[in-house]
Amino acid sequence: DIQMTQSPSTLSASVGDRVTITCRASQTMSSWVAWYQQKPGKAPNLLIYKASTLETGVPSRFSGSASGTEFTLTISSLQPDDFATYYCQQYTSYSGGTFGQGTKVEIK
Amino acid sequence: QVQLVQSGAEVKKPGSSVKVSCKASGGTFSNYAISWVRQAPRQGLEWMGGIVPIFGTPIYAQKFQGRVTITADKSTSTAYMELSSLRSEDTAVFYCATVHNWGQGTLVTVSS
Repeated sequence: DIQMTQSPSTLSASVGDRVTITCRASQTMSSWVAWYQQKPGKAPNLLIYKASTLETGVPSRFSGSASGTEFTLTISSLQPDDFATYYCQQYTSYSGGTFGQGTKVEIK
Repeated sequence: QVQLVQSGAEVKKPGSSVKVSCKASGGTFSNYAISWVRQAPRQGLEWMGGIVPIFGTPIYAQKFQGRVTITADKSTSTAYMELSSLRSEDTAVFYCATVHNWGQGTLVTVSS
């Protein structure tokens, strides 16, 4: 199984900050990466798929990028609703796959 | 897009099995890659395995291989996940999901 190493595990930030979360795959992948936001007691919500495509209805302050085996989620200006836990996941068209360990974004 | 509705909460004894269902509506069920994801209390997301109903052959994560069985019934647009040899560490919320859509989650509590 491909491993996804996500960092940091916790991030303290203020409203308006630019925030970056990274996932590194254990090997070169012929698969895609998705990014999810999860709030307590709720199912995860898709933000980004195929590494950089913004899901319909997700604010444009969220963006994704990829460089080799490194994948990045960026929030350009953190809003109060964005304090949550974020996960990356590698997947293909025929299967889901490994998640990163998660990044909790906390209020500084 | 597809909507996914899961079966209700379960309480199970250690050593037993649990089978969770996931009924899809509003999309072409057979073509979707449906995953099952475990989330233990205050823990992260774990991909257990998945299936594309039109292909029928499931793929399992190494960690759950031998203990999980994932199936799909195209006639009822329902996917199933059965986990056997339950232990207390399996107490968790189990989700079915496509990349774009998730079920509401099913809480499975394993307790003697």
